[in-house]
Amino acid sequence: QKEVEQNSGPLSVPEGAIASLNCTYSDRGSQSFFWYRQYSGKSPELIMSIYSNGDKEDGRFTAQLNKASQYVSLLIRDSQPSDSATYLCAVYAGGTSYGKLTFGQGTILTVHP
Amino acid sequence: GAGVSQSPRYKVTKRGQDVALRCDPISGHVSLYWYRQALGQGPEFLTYFNYEAQQDKSGLPNDRFSAERPEGSISTLTIQRTEQRDSAMYRCASSQGLAGGLSYEQYFGPGTRLTVT
Repeated sequence: QKEVEQNSGPLSVPEGAIASLNCTYSDRGSQSFFWYRQYSGKSPELIMSIYSNGDKEDGRFTAQLNKASQYVSLLIRDSQPSDSATYLCAVYAGGTSYGKLTFGQGTILTVHP
Repeated sequence: GAGVSQSPRYKVTKRGQDVALRCDPISGHVSLYWYRQALGQGPEFLTYFNYEAQQDKSGLPNDRFSAERPEGSISTLTIQRTEQRDSAMYRCASSQGLAGGLSYEQYFGPGTRLTVT
């Protein structure tokens, strides 16, 4: 079982719709959770971080964390073609893992006009 | 301010040669990380520094890989006797490194694309 799992997609949504990206993780003690956006040929860009259960909103982005279910999600409202990218979920397990992030394989999102 | 920089951006080398990849973190960032990313996959952890101390090298594939950060700033990832399977994108990231959750917000550099022929 992979430590961090994401549906690789591609996920295709129309412009203006809500895109929902999901991620599950195996280490129940994980402490910090991050979403990165990666455009083709570019480096990962941090867009959201979440540390406690519940929702965290930043502009059109909302991260949701449920530690009991070991589940983190990213919602993108009013999706735009410029949101088309690969979205990477990353988890920091804490403890002796220091700053090591474990990444999922990423979900490819396509927003079509 | 300036982000994480890496050099060279592209490196083509022949099998058996040694290569050195350089990372210059965001100014003031205490922690520095090396990852390797295969096409279609997320970054995979290689090693991590706090200041000049290498805290975790559990992700280094074998003893041909080594890394250093002698003055707690610039880091070098060295691959000796390169093999074709070493071909990948090597990414460096840095973070503030303070206690608490914000310490692990990592910011990535542009990467070095290594091709071993």
